[in-house]
Amino acid sequence: EAQVTQNPRYLITVTGKKLTVTCSQNMNHEYMSWYRQDPGLGLRQIYYSMNVEVTDKGDVPEGYKVSRKEKRNFPLILESPSPNQTSLYFCASSTHDRGYNSPLHFGNGTRLTVT
Amino acid sequence: QQQVKQSPQSLIVQKGGISIINCAYENTAFDYFPWYQQFPGKGPALLIAIRPDVSEKKEGRFTISFNKSAKQFSLHIMDSQPGDSATYFCAAGIGGATNKLIFGTGTLLAVQP
Repeated sequence: EAQVTQNPRYLITVTGKKLTVTCSQNMNHEYMSWYRQDPGLGLRQIYYSMNVEVTDKGDVPEGYKVSRKEKRNFPLILESPSPNQTSLYFCASSTHDRGYNSPLHFGNGTRLTVT
Repeated sequence: QQQVKQSPQSLIVQKGGISIINCAYENTAFDYFPWYQQFPGKGPALLIAIRPDVSEKKEGRFTISFNKSAKQFSLHIMDSQPGDSATYFCAAGIGGATNKLIFGTGTLLAVQP
């Protein structure tokens, strides 16, 4: 089954404790991206990657890191989480045909609480 | 310039009624306008999308109406069903150069039986 898999689904942590949220896709997609979803703010892009070893900032990158060492994986790293990073996080992937917008395939989300 | 404004924030419709969600944008460079549907505990999924060379696109009970001069687009759900109860996000994108989408703030739709 074609899917984007995020882990964990739920995570409660304390301020300053480094954490990683994993994301993996099995569709051989070039493009991957991380979003956070907050009430009243919709989905905001954190980072994206056009292909292996190519990453760039989205609209709200502060406090986050990403890496793209393999095509299928795109982990999100919070080096020193803070309470304002409490949110629902989504990983997404798509093909990338320059000049066209391809549908984004989203994972089922990771609900992060930072106390 | 990069914002997409979505309304209403929430919507209650009776079964069989028409649900209408509206979005507006400023950046005239946007040329791709998708709608995503999100059920509780799931990620958003593409529902329907339109490009500005047409004024309307229909897929089953779902229709996008697009008004280029007003920089507005809307989602109409005909014969709304309880199974349509979900959060709907409009979005706008540019040319696929980065596959970037700017999302609206979402509309929580509840269809009452």
